[in-house]
Amino acid sequence: AQTVTQSQPEMSVQEAETVTLSCTYDTSESDYYLFWYKQPPSRQMILVIRQEAYKQQNATENRFSVNFQKAAKSFSLKISDSQLGDAAMYFCAPGGVDSNYQLIWGAGTKLIIKP
Amino acid sequence: DTGVSQNPRHKITKRGQNVTFRCDPISEHNRLYWYRQTLGQGPEFLTYFQNEAQLEKSRLLSDRFSAERPKGSFSTLEIQRTEQGDSAMYLCASSLGFGSRGDYEQYFGPGTRLTVT
Repeated sequence: AQTVTQSQPEMSVQEAETVTLSCTYDTSESDYYLFWYKQPPSRQMILVIRQEAYKQQNATENRFSVNFQKAAKSFSLKISDSQLGDAAMYFCAPGGVDSNYQLIWGAGTKLIIKP
Repeated sequence: DTGVSQNPRHKITKRGQNVTFRCDPISEHNRLYWYRQTLGQGPEFLTYFQNEAQLEKSRLLSDRFSAERPKGSFSTLEIQRTEQGDSAMYLCASSLGFGSRGDYEQYFGPGTRLTVT
């Protein structure tokens, strides 16, 4: 069975600093990709960034970037220049072609931004 | 394109009553997903549709739960004889669901919060 582990239930960072959220996963799929989603308090889930497993280059989206280590099955999210609006639950979610791209969800990391 | 919408946003019901939620996906999205999310947890998959066909149901989905997607457009999720354990946020998401890899990104609605008293 596919599993996702987000080992940090909660992280805090000073505004304007950089923080890294970790995610490890276990999959036997050969073709898959991975997402980070953000869920602000009482607001809807938003896609932050995605990474195709076949690509060696790490994805980047403005202040958000990933460190994808395929062999280690690790997919961490780095947020640079943290802003108050980044405060949210962050979920790591891989999905593979064999499972019809259904997403497997981690338990999430709560990110707190200190002003 | 106004995104995924869900109605109602909140529902309070008494145990034993039936409730129905509606999800309108992004137009032209072929796939539609239902999830349940309890406080402090990640979404739990319930079921999904490819167009009007319900392709998979989670074991979490008991006989009291039923979902439909007539004509491959909006979807409804009905819970019969609600129990207090059904209290949760019910999320809907949609994706294009075919073709190139980018077509499987899921876009979420705001959710329906169900409280069973």
